Amino acid sequence: AQSVTQLDSQVPVFEEAPVELRCNYSSSVSVYLFWYVQYPNQGLQLLLKYLSGSTLVKGINGFEAEFNKSQTSFHVRKPSVHISDTAEYFCAVSATNDYKLSFGAGTTVTVRA
Amino acid sequence: DGGITQSPKYLFRKEGQNVTLSCEQNLNHDAMYWYRQDPGQGLRLIYYSQIVNDFQKGDIAEGYSVSREKKESFPLTVTSAQKNPTAFYLCASSILGTYNEQFFGPGTRLTVL
Repeated sequence: AQSVTQLDSQVPVFEEAPVELRCNYSSSVSVYLFWYVQYPNQGLQLLLKYLSGSTLVKGINGFEAEFNKSQTSFHVRKPSVHISDTAEYFCAVSATNDYKLSFGAGTTVTVRA
Repeated sequence: DGGITQSPKYLFRKEGQNVTLSCEQNLNHDAMYWYRQDPGQGLRLIYYSQIVNDFQKGDIAEGYSVSREKKESFPLTVTSAQKNPTAFYLCASSILGTYNEQFFGPGTRLTVL
């Protein structure tokens, strides 16, 4: 089985500052990795995904993430945040031979002016 | 315009009553999922279905039931046996046979009075 740990439950950040959200996973098999974003009272939207190939992946809204197999991590970063980036962010993992996702507990990002 | 619709957006129920949440998708996806979201706990899988007339229990199926009579529809019934049903419920769908990118509906917030 796969599991995900998001290392920060809340991340306050000032507008135009960089932000990093940390995600570690556990799995005995190859995985696909995902970051989703959830704005208040809405569903989840895919931010970016790692399937294979280049370990640096780019997503929507200027976010990018790096897959580190040796450290079993998939941290996501944005060099300069906006007020509109205030949301909850979820890391998720699935085995490549399965179709179910396991989600982390989420990281709430609050961007202040 | 393809997507997933959930209705209603807000739902109130008295203790002891069953209630059914609707989920419809026009993405022609094979698989559909129901998740429960509670603050600080991420998303937990309730039920999932890969094909019409077949579904499997997820991690927290007790007190819930589903049906899959049509490919595009996957309603969830919260029964009176569910001891703590107040939560945000999310429906998702995905294509089978490829990486498991799941697409989410806008959610239904259920409150038990």
